[in-house]
Amino acid sequence: AQTVTQSQPEMSVQEAETVTLSCTYDTSESDYYLFWYKQPPSRQMILVIRQEAYKQQNATENRFSVNFQKAAKSFSLKISDSQLGDAAMYFCAYSRGDKIIFGKGTRLHILP
Amino acid sequence: NAGVTQTPKFRVLKTGQSMTLLCAQDMNHEYMYWYRQDPGMGLRLIHYSVGEGTTAKGEVPDGYNVSRLKKQNFLLGLESAAPSQTSVYFCASSTSGGPLETQYFGPGTRLLVL
Repeated sequence: AQTVTQSQPEMSVQEAETVTLSCTYDTSESDYYLFWYKQPPSRQMILVIRQEAYKQQNATENRFSVNFQKAAKSFSLKISDSQLGDAAMYFCAYSRGDKIIFGKGTRLHILP
Repeated sequence: NAGVTQTPKFRVLKTGQSMTLLCAQDMNHEYMYWYRQDPGMGLRLIHYSVGEGTTAKGEVPDGYNVSRLKKQNFLLGLESAAPSQTSVYFCASSTSGGPLETQYFGPGTRLLVL
């Protein structure tokens, strides 16, 4: 069965600095999708970034980028120029077929 | 365009009571999902639907039932609530690409079972 592991329950970063959130997953499939979702205190889940496994190029969305290492089954999220509004729970997710599996999340604190 | 809405936002139930959570989306999405979120557990899929009239079990379906009579609505039912069902419930929807496409989440329903 597929699993998604986020080994950092909490992290802190100084405002304007860069932070990287880790995610590893386990699968025997070669074609799948990976996501990072953000959940602010409002609790609503917001898609941050998406990566197709067949694409070697790492996805980027403004200040957010990923480091996708398919062989190592690693999918880390880098947030550059951290802002106070980035404070939230971040969930890594794996998807193939009809289902999506989420990690347990990393709570990110932004220090002013 | 309201996106995904959930009703109610908060509810308190006594053990053994029943209730239905309503999820509605106005984006004409084919796929809809119900998740529960517990501290330290992330999101876990309860049931999902790939289209009107269809439902399927997710990771933690026991104690829940669902119905998708209309494309825009996905109902989650608790027939006999238990304290273990205290959680925050999220509904989500996506286009015909299923979970490979972006999932749009509702604001969540906080349920407390005493």
